[in-house]
Amino acid sequence: GESVGLHLPTLSVQEGDNSIINCAYSNSASDYFIWYKQESGKGPQFIIDIRSNMDKRQGQRVTVLLNKTVKHLSLQIAATQPGDSAVYFCAENLSETSGSRLTFGEGTQLTVNP
Amino acid sequence: EAGVTQFPSHSVIEKGQTVTLRCDPISGHDNLYWYRRVMGKEIKFLLHFVKESKQDESGMPNNRFLAERTGGTYSTLKVQPAELEDSGVYFCASSLGTSGTQETQYFGPGTRLLVL
Repeated sequence: GESVGLHLPTLSVQEGDNSIINCAYSNSASDYFIWYKQESGKGPQFIIDIRSNMDKRQGQRVTVLLNKTVKHLSLQIAATQPGDSAVYFCAENLSETSGSRLTFGEGTQLTVNP
Repeated sequence: EAGVTQFPSHSVIEKGQTVTLRCDPISGHDNLYWYRRVMGKEIKFLLHFVKESKQDESGMPNNRFLAERTGGTYSTLKVQPAELEDSGVYFCASSLGTSGTQETQYFGPGTRLLVL
């Protein structure tokens, strides 16, 4: 399953499928990007980050892709599990002018159906 | 190792009252941040402390909000007087402070504030 565009806030997938969550970031000069996962009643939890000198980074079951040409970031989750159900936020940072301040996207609600 | 903790977890107050939120960062973290998420919208930055100093307070909405971090350990965020539009979830985050600006920020569970 895949979310398209920044303005589709929900994604529903079947357990075991791969999920793709998309994010269009705002500032072409941003040089650091992070994906956070937020479960109900909890704070955002760091998943994976990527710097602008890379276009792909892999973690455990997750991959982040960065396309600076079109200012697009995506999070791929392999073999999605019910425990992956949460809201996923992308965040960007432009260290040169924004210091450590993160700018968040609106979030995508991922629901994994058993 | 304990993560970022926040108190209270929930607060319900009436318009015009005062509320103080507390954040305890991860021990040893010099950087402390406040963010908030207003209902249905994205998480927005409020301010950033490096130790006890305010590094960036450009996100503070107005002078009804006062943040302190005396001694460079825990921080408080006071809203006085609270307005209806202050309702939301207030998150605190911390990072170590030794690797420049692009460090992982670890978030607390948030304080859910409802102003009636």
